Amino acid sequence: KAGVTQTPRYLIKTRGQQVTLSCSPISGHRSVSWYQQTPGQGLQFLFEYFSETQRNKGNFPGRFSGRQFSNSRSEMNVSTLELGDSALYLCASSQSDPGSPLHFGNGTRLTVT
Amino acid sequence: AQSVTQLDSQVPVFEEAPVELRCNYSSSVSVYLFWYVQYPNQGLQLLLKYLSGSTLVKGINGFEAEFNKSQTSFHLRKPSVHISDTAEYFCAVGGRFQGKSTFGDGTTLTVKP
Repeated sequence: KAGVTQTPRYLIKTRGQQVTLSCSPISGHRSVSWYQQTPGQGLQFLFEYFSETQRNKGNFPGRFSGRQFSNSRSEMNVSTLELGDSALYLCASSQSDPGSPLHFGNGTRLTVT
Repeated sequence: AQSVTQLDSQVPVFEEAPVELRCNYSSSVSVYLFWYVQYPNQGLQLLLKYLSGSTLVKGINGFEAEFNKSQTSFHLRKPSVHISDTAEYFCAVGGRFQGKSTFGDGTTLTVKP
């Protein structure tokens, strides 16, 4: 099976712009989650989607949003970018069973200047 | 609420020496415990998981971990490390919805020749 695919791998944006990141989960995985990874804050949970519905949400401002399509692919959007949004954004998919591990993509490195 | 504490931020060790990476967790409900490894410029990949049953779990690359309920710990061990084990290691606890896992801050394992 193909792994989790995230595009693009790298992005450079300017403060105030918006950005959309894409994630294709492993085939058959209906849960897709997004995490922000920074040196100072570590791995922070953004949100989880399951069957096109947001199932959980972390403590991030409303500038961070996401969605999931019927084929389980997911996108996350960040509007009005701030310098502090510079981070590695990781997408993970998992099966529905409790205890199923997360399968991560290689991430999108976002740099805001 | 769940939390994870990785007690060592950096662990330097010589090649072929044993290593232990320590992880304590707290949770108000039954938990699933995981160790993930992250190599530079990559996402996280699963090393091993504890769901139930035997408290000693074996994972990939010769790693194992022991679940200790009374001490709320899930320490990762390897009897003999290799240079290729140099990476960042994350302990994580998952609840009913795996997408929303809680991660520790990570331990950087550096294996020296």
